[in-house]
Amino acid sequence: QQQVKQSPQSLIVQKGGISIINCAYENTAFDYFPWYQQFPGKGPALLIAIRPDVSEKKEGRFTISFNKSAKQFSLHIMDSQPGDSATYFCAARSQGNLIFGKGTKLSVKP
Amino acid sequence: KAGVTQTPRYLIKTRGQQVTLSCSPISGHRSVSWYQQTPGQGLQFLFEYFSETQRNKGNFPGRFSGRQFSNSRSEMNVSTLELGDSALYLCASSLEVAGVHEQFFGPGTRLTVL
Repeated sequence: QQQVKQSPQSLIVQKGGISIINCAYENTAFDYFPWYQQFPGKGPALLIAIRPDVSEKKEGRFTISFNKSAKQFSLHIMDSQPGDSATYFCAARSQGNLIFGKGTKLSVKP
Repeated sequence: KAGVTQTPRYLIKTRGQQVTLSCSPISGHRSVSWYQQTPGQGLQFLFEYFSETQRNKGNFPGRFSGRQFSNSRSEMNVSTLELGDSALYLCASSLEVAGVHEQFFGPGTRLTVL
């Protein structure tokens, strides 16, 4: 199975709150799991990434949690800001190419 | 360092025509991948080139083709355009050194097929 399932499709969070986006996969051959942020009219920008031998990675307000046994990984955005409003994509790498989730549109209300 | 550049940014074509899109990777990056982004299907992998050779290919018809030049610049071509080919076409480059696999995306080419 090459799919990466992402949820929720959309998310509304108050400023200062925590945004959580989840992804699940089936293919155990995936070896790299990045998250991308995309603003309207722009290409996706790499936000943070993790390898399956690590359970958590934090960069500033962004944290990836990875559960290898459950084949799930999630993005946590702490202290969410209106400037974080964008579409977020999880992805998994297989044989050199990225398989993307369908995306989550995040709106952070002031 | 300049990012990934794509030209043109916008393109309008009619059914049956063909189109060529161009991508210049980040300096020093040897891998170039192409993706199609649509509201319905999301981001889908088209193909990847490394050192002028196609290394991976996604599940797209043969109307979609690409190539890479010795300077790592890449082009993709779509022949006999269909309405469903309307999409944002994204190019991403990667350094591919010592386990580094981060892909950096360009702004995309918005193709509209009428």
